[in-house]
Amino acid sequence: AQSVAQPEDQVNVAEGNPLTVKCTYSVSGNPYLFWYVQYPNRGLQFLLKYITGDNLVKGSYGFEAEFNKSQTSFHLKKPSALVSDSALYFCAVISDTGRRALTFGSGTRLQVQP
Amino acid sequence: EADIYQTPRYLVIGTGKKITLECSQTMGHDKMYWYQQDPGMELHLIHYSYGVNSTEKGDLSSESTVSRIRTEHFPLTLESARPSHTSQYLCASSEPMGNEQFFGPGTRLTVL
Repeated sequence: AQSVAQPEDQVNVAEGNPLTVKCTYSVSGNPYLFWYVQYPNRGLQFLLKYITGDNLVKGSYGFEAEFNKSQTSFHLKKPSALVSDSALYFCAVISDTGRRALTFGSGTRLQVQP
Repeated sequence: EADIYQTPRYLVIGTGKKITLECSQTMGHDKMYWYQQDPGMELHLIHYSYGVNSTEKGDLSSESTVSRIRTEHFPLTLESARPSHTSQYLCASSEPMGNEQFFGPGTRLTVL
């Protein structure tokens, strides 16, 4: 079985401050991890992924995420938040042992205040 | 921008009607998926396909059905819509294992 937990329903941060959106996962085998962002009335947009290699992954719009195998985490980070980053963020996982589709977390709403 | 399309974007329909939500992708991906998402909530996999003539049910039980006659096309059908079917339906496709899923813009369905 595979699962994802996003413990925070909402994260509030002031513009210009660093942000972190938390994600932990559980899989059999090795994980492939993803972050997506969803703006209102839109589909999901891919931000970044971890497959193998360097634990720090850089993605779109200045976002990055750090894979931590011992803590089974894949937290999303950005050094300086923008108001335009306000959106719904989803973490997702799939196992390398052949699971059919991504399993998504429940989502975290990021609110960046001016 | 991913080349995956969904029509209609919005649909309001009465109870008992038959509807088909269209999904097409031009990337030649073998794998395609349908997710159901209530506004601002998590995604639930309802159908997926590994290729032509391959369809499987997902994690969330759904009264909808799908077909995959062509690689690029993965329509979802509700034979008799009910208010409980009101939701957003997201279609996605992907390359083989390890690559991201590309999502369409979604269809927001309201059944009165």
